[in-house]
Amino acid sequence: EAGVVQSPRYKIIEKKQPVAFWCNPISGHNTLYWYRQNLGQGPELLIRYENEEAVDDSQLPKDRFSAERLKGVDSTLKIQPAELGDSAVYLCASSLGSVPGNTIYFGEGSWLTVV
Amino acid sequence: AQTVTQSQPEMSVQEAETVTLSCTYDTSESDYYLFWYKQPPSRQMILVIRQEAYKQQNATENRFSVNFQKAAKSFSLKISDSQLGDAAMYFCAYVSGANSKLTFGKGITLSVRP
Repeated sequence: EAGVVQSPRYKIIEKKQPVAFWCNPISGHNTLYWYRQNLGQGPELLIRYENEEAVDDSQLPKDRFSAERLKGVDSTLKIQPAELGDSAVYLCASSLGSVPGNTIYFGEGSWLTVV
Repeated sequence: AQTVTQSQPEMSVQEAETVTLSCTYDTSESDYYLFWYKQPPSRQMILVIRQEAYKQQNATENRFSVNFQKAAKSFSLKISDSQLGDAAMYFCAYVSGANSKLTFGKGITLSVRP
């Protein structure tokens, strides 16, 4: 079974430029998460989807970040414009349903460096 | 709000020895789940072990086991017969029984000496 797939793995951009990350969850997983992990820290939730609906986006900086999950499968996270402080690893994850305690599976992450 | 604390930033263990990684959490809820995730340099989070708060029995997965002390809000991970491949960052994480938001600690870097 294929795991959570993310692309690109690495991205270096200049500040004020836009960037987008793509995620394909595990087949059949209707819950999708985007996490941001700063260096030396644990991941922090940005947004959680149940199918197409964003059910928790309270930590998403909406002035520059946006996300979508069309058709309830793949998802895209966009940053526009990027700032130096956005340098981090962006992790996508998925789970089978949103039942608390269900195992959440992570992708390998997209490493963003803003220069 | 729930918090997860990992106070040890780094630990080292000799190959084949046993090591214990500490984690404490703060919550007012009675229904929740606890996890340990391993993150190698590739950055992919890999689930090591999970514990349901309502279960008194400590979870075990091969060489990995936990010491879950609910009253003390402590959830430590014991790795037996440490192997070189165990070297990674380890994160303790909490999920409330009311939602599926995973809250992580800051992690601990484990090195294994050959």
